Amino acid sequence: GQQVMQIPQYQHVQEGEDFTTYCNSSTTLSNIQWYKQRPGGHPVFLIQLVKSGEVKKQKRLTFQFGEAKKNSSLHITATQTTDVGTYFCAGPMNSGYSTLTFGKGTMLLVSP
Amino acid sequence: EAQVTQNPRYLITVTGKKLTVTCSQNMNHEYMSWYRQDPGLGLRQIYYSMNVEVTDKGDVPEGYKVSRKEKRNFPLILESPSPNQTSLYFCASSLSRQYNEQFFGPGTRLTVL
Repeated sequence: GQQVMQIPQYQHVQEGEDFTTYCNSSTTLSNIQWYKQRPGGHPVFLIQLVKSGEVKKQKRLTFQFGEAKKNSSLHITATQTTDVGTYFCAGPMNSGYSTLTFGKGTMLLVSP
Repeated sequence: EAQVTQNPRYLITVTGKKLTVTCSQNMNHEYMSWYRQDPGLGLRQIYYSMNVEVTDKGDVPEGYKVSRKEKRNFPLILESPSPNQTSLYFCASSLSRQYNEQFFGPGTRLTVL
């Protein structure tokens, strides 16, 4: 079935190192969203990308949407301990855009 | 404060005992959905609702029912819970399907013995 794949599943970095998670879809997406879930918390919306090749920045976070609108990435520059959590990408998988399929997430651990 | 609320937050029950998890949002959102989160499987959509009286299946609907009689409420019903429904459940809402930013509730941790 249609799915969204995310890699890596887990990454452990030292504070100050960079981090990247990648998201790949089996189909072209109308848009892609990114969410962050802190340990013990609920997913929180970070951003939505809509245009082919779009790049958006939020402070140390950079989000990219691929030219073919089938892949996306989230890059964190100079990680901090507050970045700890699981990062999910999600996209509407059906033609009516009525369902949202999440990737399995990348768990980020940052050591001080 | 704009929010999605869920109740209960924690529930331990036994196989076969019907239960309902409530979800309510105060943002006048049209779109609401239920997800379950399991280790290694991420978030999977159970059911969604485009508006009042309009519901449809997500990726993992078996064993669940929903209703949307009012815009603000979207309860999840487990008629005969089984141990494989032990999971963390999230309700979410968004303005409409075109505006897909999902606002999640705090979650309900369900254990079925």
